[in-house]
Amino acid sequence: DAGVIQSPRHEVTEMGQEVTLRCKPISGHNSLFWYRQTMMRGLELLIYFNNNVPIDDSGMPEDRFSAKMPNASFSTLKIQPSEPRDSAVYFCASSWSPPGQYTGELFFGEGSRLTVL
Amino acid sequence: TQLLEQSPQFLSIQEGENLTVYCNSSSVFSSLQWYRQEPGEGPVLLVTVVTGGEVKKLKRLTFQFGDARKDSSLHITAAQPGDTGLYLCAGGTAAGNKLTFGGGTRVLVKP
Repeated sequence: DAGVIQSPRHEVTEMGQEVTLRCKPISGHNSLFWYRQTMMRGLELLIYFNNNVPIDDSGMPEDRFSAKMPNASFSTLKIQPSEPRDSAVYFCASSWSPPGQYTGELFFGEGSRLTVL
Repeated sequence: TQLLEQSPQFLSIQEGENLTVYCNSSSVFSSLQWYRQEPGEGPVLLVTVVTGGEVKKLKRLTFQFGDARKDSSLHITAAQPGDTGLYLCAGGTAAGNKLTFGGGTRVLVKP
């Protein structure tokens, strides 16, 4: 079975450019998460969706970041305009979490390494 | 904001030695998960503990959830080079699906 698929794996761009990261979750999962990982701050939750609806976006750094989940099989994280401090590895993860029960196992993609020059 | 602190941040040991990684918080979690991450990959789940005082064993790895569900530990017996990686604890709440990750412990097991 295919796991969580992220693209691109690597992106190098210049400051001010728009960046779009893509994610295809595991089929049947009801939750999708976007995390950002850096050496300094570790793994930070940016936003998560439940049944395609954004539930908590309190981790989104600022208005330059936006995320969408138009259907159960696709999500995007967009940064516009990008800045050097956005350089990080961005992970998408999905899970099946029964309502009212503890959080299910997160299945992570391989990540998208973003470098903003 | 619920915070999870892991200690130590970095651990370097020889093959065959034992090690313990700690995960502490002032908040109560409904569940606690441990993940291992290798370079260039996403974290992979090792175990989930949900009951205060719960102990789970996975081969040479022993996981414990504190009685008050605020802390957890991971103990590795007779570590092997294949245990090298970044170990992350993550706390979940019953109110939603949100998982908060600790800062991680980077373990290096030298042959």
